Amino acid sequence: GAVVSQHPSWVICKSGTSVKIECRSLDFQATTMFWYRQFPKQSLMLMATSNEGSKATYEQGVEKDKFLINHASLTLSTLTVTSAHPEDSSFYICSALRTSGNKEYFGPGTRLTVL
Amino acid sequence: SQQGEEDPQALSIQEGENATMNCSYKTSINNLQWYRQNSGRGLVHLILIRSNEREKHSGRLRVTLDTSKKSSSLLITASRAADTASYFCALSGNTGKLIFGQGTTLQVKP
Repeated sequence: GAVVSQHPSWVICKSGTSVKIECRSLDFQATTMFWYRQFPKQSLMLMATSNEGSKATYEQGVEKDKFLINHASLTLSTLTVTSAHPEDSSFYICSALRTSGNKEYFGPGTRLTVL
Repeated sequence: SQQGEEDPQALSIQEGENATMNCSYKTSINNLQWYRQNSGRGLVHLILIRSNEREKHSGRLRVTLDTSKKSSSLLITASRAADTASYFCALSGNTGKLIFGQGTTLQVKP
């Protein structure tokens, strides 16, 4: 089956630091990956669409300069939360769109806590 | 908002009972998917139902879709304590993006 991994699975950082989260499709290529954010007891909200070799497309209200997305290869997308603040504490989930079959596979999520 | 609306928000039942969750939406869809999420964990894909389908089964799961009413339901039969989780519907339209519903938190008491 198609597997998507995220690293790290959890991270605690101080306010003002930057945190990078990796999303990898392990056994398939993904031209498109998605980044979601989920606050406690809430649903997943799409943050941005990451396209290999081009700029990410951000959803309304998501600051592109704060959430930097790099999709440098067909199996890796990274999300960098720059100058993180406590309100950025959340569960960040990525997904990868398998080109063949057009199905979306989700990663296990990364829990970010900003102190 | 395109977001699916789910009800109930929370559901508590005894083991062995059936659990029904509903999802309503406003836009046209290509398909509707149901996911499960255990507390603090990632998503588990349950079922995808296409817009031209009315009902799908997978084990103890039954999903219906009524495009005229823009609603879907997820039925879990003979529930187990391990079914305790949050359940989300997710809409897929022409944009290729998934729009998630607000979720139903299910608690199955042993």
